Amino acid sequence: QVQLVESGGVVVQPGGSLRLSCAASGFTFSDYGMHWVRQAPGMGLEWVAVISFDGNDKASADSVKGRFSISRDNSKNTVFLQMNTLRLEDTAVYYCVRGDPMPDFDLWGQGTLVTVSS
Amino acid sequence: DIQMTQSPSSLSASVGDRVTITCQASHDFNNYLNWFQQKPGKAPKLLIYDASNFETGVPSRFSGSGSGRNFSFSISSLQPEDTATYYCQQSYTLPYTFGQGTKVEIK
Repeated sequence: QVQLVESGGVVVQPGGSLRLSCAASGFTFSDYGMHWVRQAPGMGLEWVAVISFDGNDKASADSVKGRFSISRDNSKNTVFLQMNTLRLEDTAVYYCVRGDPMPDFDLWGQGTLVTVSS
Repeated sequence: DIQMTQSPSSLSASVGDRVTITCQASHDFNNYLNWFQQKPGKAPKLLIYDASNFETGVPSRFSGSGSGRNFSFSISSLQPEDTATYYCQQSYTLPYTFGQGTKVEIK
């Protein structure tokens, strides 16, 4: 079954750190770029970060640059989002999303909730 | 950054009605324009990519069109299961930006 399953979302205090994981199955993971997209409660979608199929190219949104980093382990079919110096406004459901080759954003995980609260 | 302005923010229509949502970009870009459907408590689902191409399995009542800065998404005959929020997104250049969303309800 082609799917993405995120994990790692918890309640964390401001300034804390967290690592999200996304396990892929049912397709050749190492052929695809991967994204993280987040959605704050009751709000719209925000693209967070992308990593190329081989992990050599990465990019992130200005809102998380310098605090979040994306990585992947193709031997374990897993993509990660390391989140440091968390802020209240990082509270959101974080989705792992399959990237290119086209069509981009065609497969989404179920999401994992990160709550930043004191 | 390319800003995506989506309208309307919400609409209410009857079963069988034709519904159209528009998305305007702040800059011209190649037609790397996606449309997503998100139902409450669920992950978004890709419906249309490259402005007008159907994702596999998407019903033919959904369609997309446009180019340059102006794009539109239509449901030709609204069904009860189409109740959802719809988002446009450009995947042409980083950061990949989304529209604000359009909440579609049945009257």
